[in-house]
Amino acid sequence: NAGVTQTPKFQVLKTGQSMTLQCAQDMNHNSMYWYRQDPGMGLRLIYYSASEGTTDKGEVPNGYNVSRLNKREFSLRLESAAPSQTSVYFCASSGMGGMEGYTFGSGTRLTVV
Amino acid sequence: GENVGLHLPTLSVQEGDNSIINCAYSNSASDYFIWYKQESGKGPQFIIDIRSNMDKRQGQRVTVLLNKTVKHLSLQIAATQPGDSAVYFCAENSNTGRRALTFGSGTRLQVQP
Repeated sequence: NAGVTQTPKFQVLKTGQSMTLQCAQDMNHNSMYWYRQDPGMGLRLIYYSASEGTTDKGEVPNGYNVSRLNKREFSLRLESAAPSQTSVYFCASSGMGGMEGYTFGSGTRLTVV
Repeated sequence: GENVGLHLPTLSVQEGDNSIINCAYSNSASDYFIWYKQESGKGPQFIIDIRSNMDKRQGQRVTVLLNKTVKHLSLQIAATQPGDSAVYFCAENSNTGRRALTFGSGTRLQVQP
């Protein structure tokens, strides 16, 4: 099925550990995004990639890095996890410069202890 | 995620009634708007979108109204069903600056049988 695939679905990290969240889309979209969602809040943009080879900071980029590996894949890395990064992380992709076809993955639930 | 919407405003309606969910936005440059539905443990699911050159758009059982003068967006759901129970988010995008969706804080819809 066409869409956005995220791995892993669940992860528990200890403070200071690192990990990479993977995201892939098969809709030939140019733009990809990483959001986080905390309880009682809407999604907040961490980083985005308007096209292959470009990445830009969003609203809450501190503590994260990203890589747009190719047109299909956009990864999010936590170099030294902190409890404040406990959240649900969503990857999304879109076409037409972010003006159509926004599709979200099913999320990664990350707990940092 | 399961804790999404912990402190969200809640709209409670009877099955079969019409529901109206409202959203205010602040960016006068926003020109593309989307309503998403999010069920517990799932990613946001696209419902309907509207561009700023329109003030109304209809889908199956849903209507989105856009009032650019007061920067207000609403989602109307006709004949609300128990399966409509979820958290609903509005999101906006602008043709200037960061080309990524900005999300509102969400409204929980509870449908009483």
